[in-house]
Amino acid sequence: RKEVEQDPGPFNVPEGATVAFNCTYSNSASQSFFWYRQDCRKEPKLLMSVYSSGNEDGRFTAQLNRASQYISLLIRDSKLSDSATYLCVVRSNTGNQFYFGTGTSLTVIP
Amino acid sequence: SAVISQKPSRDICQRGTSLTIQCQVDSQVTMMFWYRQQPGQSLTLIATANQGSEATYESGFVIDKFPISRPNLTFSTLTVSNMSPEDSSIYLCSVERATNYGYTFGSGTRLTVV
Repeated sequence: RKEVEQDPGPFNVPEGATVAFNCTYSNSASQSFFWYRQDCRKEPKLLMSVYSSGNEDGRFTAQLNRASQYISLLIRDSKLSDSATYLCVVRSNTGNQFYFGTGTSLTVIP
Repeated sequence: SAVISQKPSRDICQRGTSLTIQCQVDSQVTMMFWYRQQPGQSLTLIATANQGSEATYESGFVIDKFPISRPNLTFSTLTVSNMSPEDSSIYLCSVERATNYGYTFGSGTRLTVV
């Protein structure tokens, strides 16, 4: 079983729509959780960390459900510029190993 | 957060040759990480580069194929040796931004082996 699993999509949504991505992880003792954004032909960039209490940054909301071992990312009022691949990243509890999901592709359509 | 300069940004190489990728960080970091991202795939950790000791390689990656140097706390190189077309990929170096704050990545090296 993979450490981190994501629905690869693609998700094609109209501008202004709300879209949500989920990601599951296999190690219940995982420490830290992140969402990264990767634009085509660019390196991944940190979008937001995911805290146990959930956190919000503008149009973006991240949630962690430890009982079910998944994290989610909600994007409200989608913009064309949100089109990218969103990577779920989980840090193990045993060291510095970060596990990356395969990414979820989002295209926001005018 | 750290700023990472990675070069070359891209290269096209003949099979059987080797390419060395450099990463320079603007601050001292204990560990640097080298990742590979093959087309349509997510990132796979190749090795962790520690200053003053040999790199720690992940399963499936060996030092003879991917030798790594870490001469000081701000610099590392990854060499892709005896390349084949299967090595065509994006190679990324990264450092941890701060404890539990995830990684910062270099801009990547897009390698094509012909």
